[in-house]
Amino acid sequence: QQQVKQSPQSLIVQKGGISIINCAYENTAFDYFPWYQQFPGKGPALLIAIRPDVSEKKEGRFTISFNKSAKQFSLHIMDSQPGDSATYFCAASNQGAQKLVFGQGTRLTINP
Amino acid sequence: DAMVIQNPRYQVTQFGKPVTLSCSQTLNHNVMYWYQQKSSQAPKLLFHYYDKDFNNEADTPDNFQSRRPNTSFCFLDIRSPGLGDAAMYLCATSRDTGEGEFFGPGTRLTVL
Repeated sequence: QQQVKQSPQSLIVQKGGISIINCAYENTAFDYFPWYQQFPGKGPALLIAIRPDVSEKKEGRFTISFNKSAKQFSLHIMDSQPGDSATYFCAASNQGAQKLVFGQGTRLTINP
Repeated sequence: DAMVIQNPRYQVTQFGKPVTLSCSQTLNHNVMYWYQQKSSQAPKLLFHYYDKDFNNEADTPDNFQSRRPNTSFCFLDIRSPGLGDAAMYLCATSRDTGEGEFFGPGTRLTVL
């Protein structure tokens, strides 16, 4: 019940296209859903996050869509650029747990 | 700039030789975490401190220990590194439970 399932494992998108990564969770106590971006040899960086009281959050080219009834959330990268090529992790937490549960990660490649 | 700092960035040790990795933060966050990340995998939580309270994950080997002498610093001690302990070790902090964690750049550990 603590798992967060992420798909796809890898994704190749053409420059200018839309990248979509999906995550699903079981634990209804989760109330915070961040996305992290990680470049090779670097630590993960918090990209964008959402709470379940809203269905969508947008920051620049990055959008989180959240479906509470389906227990799913997704990251959309609009106008994908080669510089977006990285590994993306979704995660979930609840205030009492003090820790994140990570998805398995998606390696995104944007072809020029 | 407020940040999470890890030293050293690269550490080479010999099989069985104790090693200590350090983490410091200028964010004044009360929660600090240590993760192990192996290639193409999500970060795996080893333990975390909520203020001075130590929280060990059930599957963290006894070979891994941690110290947090004050709010700003946290150390990871690997008492007898094995070849399987070669990985990236990530320190993270958070201000509060159930919110985003901010990661340091990581320490790449090589065991010879």
